[in-house]
Amino acid sequence: EVQLVESGGGSVQPGGSLRLSCVVSGFDFGRENMNWVRQAPGKGLEWLSYIDKSSSNIFYANSVKGRFTISRDNSRNSVYLQMDNLRDEDTAVYFCAIGEGSSWFYSWGQGTLVTVSS
Amino acid sequence: QAVVTQEPSLTVSPGGTVTLTCGSSTGPVTSGHFPYWFQQKPGQAPRTLIYDTNNKHPWTPARFSGSLLGGKGVLTLSAARPEDEAEYYCLLSYNNIVLFGGGTKLTVL
Repeated sequence: EVQLVESGGGSVQPGGSLRLSCVVSGFDFGRENMNWVRQAPGKGLEWLSYIDKSSSNIFYANSVKGRFTISRDNSRNSVYLQMDNLRDEDTAVYFCAIGEGSSWFYSWGQGTLVTVSS
Repeated sequence: QAVVTQEPSLTVSPGGTVTLTCGSSTGPVTSGHFPYWFQQKPGQAPRTLIYDTNNKHPWTPARFSGSLLGGKGVLTLSAARPEDEAEYYCLLSYNNIVLFGGGTKLTVL
């Protein structure tokens, strides 16, 4: 059974940085793309970033381009989201999702909460 | 940047049929937007129901189906059950970015 576990969330001041991790088990991680998605409190889903299986293709939403960096380590079955210059509006639950075949969003983690506040 | 539109809320009776739509501010939704549909219940992570317009994952109940109609992506729920009450999000792809719709709160009542 596939399992995705996010970690690294917490409280940070505006302008600060955090690095989120997502570890995948029960799946052939190195063969699939990964995405990060967030959800602000009481709001809808927002796609943030995509990385393909070999890190050759990486895409970002306009809202985080230049501030967030996605990466992966296939030897550790992990994908990361480095978040810099955080703003109040980045407060959200952050989810990772793994693809499978032509589906970019096959399975999701339970999310990790990031709170940006002074 | 494009905007993806969904009905804010819909209500369906148990056993009834409801259609949720997904529109794009850039024009008709096509198979090239690879429409997705997700279900999210309070306090839970999203669950993917439909990908690439009408493809289902193994866990997708047969009563859910995806299609294109009238220039929009469509999620049809037939024979609705109380456990289908949830928020439903669509997603469309635009070249190298993807955008979620604002979500439809579906009430089964």
